[in-house]
Amino acid sequence: TQLLEQSPQFLSIQEGENLTVYCNSSSVFSSLQWYRQEPGEGPVLLVTVVTGGEVKKLKRLTFQFGDARKDSSLHITAAQPGDTGLYLCGAGIQGAQKLVFGQGTRLTINP
Amino acid sequence: DTAVSQTPKYLVTQMGNDKSIKCEQNLGHDTMYWYKQDSKKFLKIMFSYNNKELIINETVPNRFSPKSPDKAHLNLHINSLELGDSAVYFCASSHLAGANVLTFGAGSRLTVL
Repeated sequence: TQLLEQSPQFLSIQEGENLTVYCNSSSVFSSLQWYRQEPGEGPVLLVTVVTGGEVKKLKRLTFQFGDARKDSSLHITAAQPGDTGLYLCGAGIQGAQKLVFGQGTRLTINP
Repeated sequence: DTAVSQTPKYLVTQMGNDKSIKCEQNLGHDTMYWYKQDSKKFLKIMFSYNNKELIINETVPNRFSPKSPDKAHLNLHINSLELGDSAVYFCASSHLAGANVLTFGAGSRLTVL
């Protein structure tokens, strides 16, 4: 069973559209991180959220941590081809010394 | 000035062979990790070392043996390779153990024939 469920698993949209991807769990997390991975490379951190209800913005990307710290969303406004990649959410498990990841959302932005 | 470097980037080998993947980080981090990413892109933790000591072993077969000669290096040795070992292996490091920000290497793609 997956601790973190990401949805959708695949998303292909046109340039300029908006999109939201989700990361859900039944567990409470001490923190949640979003990473982006491009082909042939390792994941690169986009943002970390630690407080329930927290919202962080990174240019056209908006990240939200759920009030109960069990879920998160990533919203991209006016998507661009450069946003194409695999988006991974990773969560810190309280009491454990590790970060676990969802299965990722493969995002394709078509010109 | 690569922060986390892994070698080799590609590794193709026959079933039954033994192979190693090396990892080095120059970030001064105390904790290093090995993750395995399967064909469906699921990233799963295998091992974690903090200051050369093993702190996480996620029920990985004992054919996999990590070795940390110092806190800047974490190598992965795999004995008797099996077809199911084919994957991309990522080394990562963080300042502290736990849910800290991970810096990943570029990955090592292992193909077992």
